[in-house]
Order: sequence, then C-alpha cells, then structure tokens
Amino acid sequence: QKEVEQNSGPLSVPEGAIASLNCTYSDRGSQSFFWYRQYSGKSPELIMSIYSNGDKEDGRFTAQLNKASQYVSLLIRDSQPSDSATYLCAVPPLSGGSNYKLTFGKGTLLTVNP
Amino acid sequence: SAVISQKPSRDICQRGTSLTIQCQVDSQVTMMFWYRQQPGQSLTLIATANQGSEATYESGFVIDKFPISRPNLTFSTLTVSNMSPEDSSIYLCSVCYSSSAGNQPQHFGDGTRLSIL
Repeated sequence: QKEVEQNSGPLSVPEGAIASLNCTYSDRGSQSFFWYRQYSGKSPELIMSIYSNGDKEDGRFTAQLNKASQYVSLLIRDSQPSDSATYLCAVPPLSGGSNYKLTFGKGTLLTVNP
Repeated sequence: SAVISQKPSRDICQRGTSLTIQCQVDSQVTMMFWYRQQPGQSLTLIATANQGSEATYESGFVIDKFPISRPNLTFSTLTVSNMSPEDSSIYLCSVCYSSSAGNQPQHFGDGTRLSIL
C-alpha cells in the first residue's frame, strides 16, 4: 500500500518568513510529485510539479526532491497571509497504463500571521 | 489549462433522495475522476470515470450507491443515491490531460458541497 505522509500541522509562521512543508512517500520507485494548495472551502489547486532530484523554483515557491531519502518538500519564501491554506502532497502510481490515480497526503495546514 | 465546471456548486437534500452532479470540461481529457472530501479530511477517490464503459470503483464504493456516467471525453456525472447524513461532503471532479504514462497531475473542478438533512 503506497503511503504519502505529511505533518498535519497547523504550521504557523510570521509574515515574511520561510514556510517549510514536508512530505515523505513509501514507494521508492515514484517518479513524479505534486503540491496542491487548498484554501478553506475551495478545491485543490496545483502549484508545483517536480520530477527530478534537486530544487525547482517558481516565484516564491521552491520544491525540493530527494529520492534517496524519499521526501519532497515545499518552501514558501516571504510568506504572506494569502498563503494561509492547506498544502497537499500527491504522488501518482509507479507505472502508468490506464491508472493515473494520485495518492494524497492528509495535508498540512499553514497559517501565516500578519 | 482547461476550464472544469461542476454543477451544482452546493445543495441541501433530504435523506433518501438522490442527486446528480455534473462535470463539464471545455476540452477533451484523457481521464476523469470523482473524489469525496469529508470535513477536515483529505481527498478520497471514489472512482475513475471511463469513457463509454463502466466506471472503475475504489474499495468501499459501489456502483449502486455512486453511479457514474461518462458519455464522451468532456463530460461526466456522479449520482449520490439514497442519501444519508453520512454522505454530507464535498464531491470533486478532477481531470488528467496526458495520454502518456501516469506522471501527470490532476486538475480539479470547484467542487459540490452537499449537505443531507
């Protein structure tokens, strides 16, 4: 059974700080990793995809992947109150074919305090 | 990315009734999925909607309770049948565009917030 683990939080950071969100996964062969942001009462929104070891930056967001240690993290620089949301880590199946199901972590609730 | 429209956005229903939720995409997609998200919980996959054939259900979900249709590559419906208060949840449609191996993300509609009295 493939598992994706996240700290449920809440994670509270002051405005302007770096928020660090972590995710570990059990399937050593996983190749793709996604971060979704979900505001309260809204649906999940894809914010980052990462496929290779190392860092991927997009604006204030940086995804970091370490396949050897089986973790993926999301850093949010210069955190803003508008970043307050639940962040979901998601991992697709090892093989494709007709099965594109994602396994979601339970999500980490981030609160950015003004 | 394409626009994913779900209807209704919310509803309040009486127990024992059924509700059909629609998901319309403005471009053809490879895969369509239906999820449930109960309050304070993460996403639970109900089924994969297969175009022109029966949906593939996850453990714990059955066709009699959650019949699904997908007549073409842009549209799907989920029916929640014989509803009880335990069915109160957010129901989400998601789509995946790629026809290559399963390493592509899914994109979600706005969801349907369902309350059963």
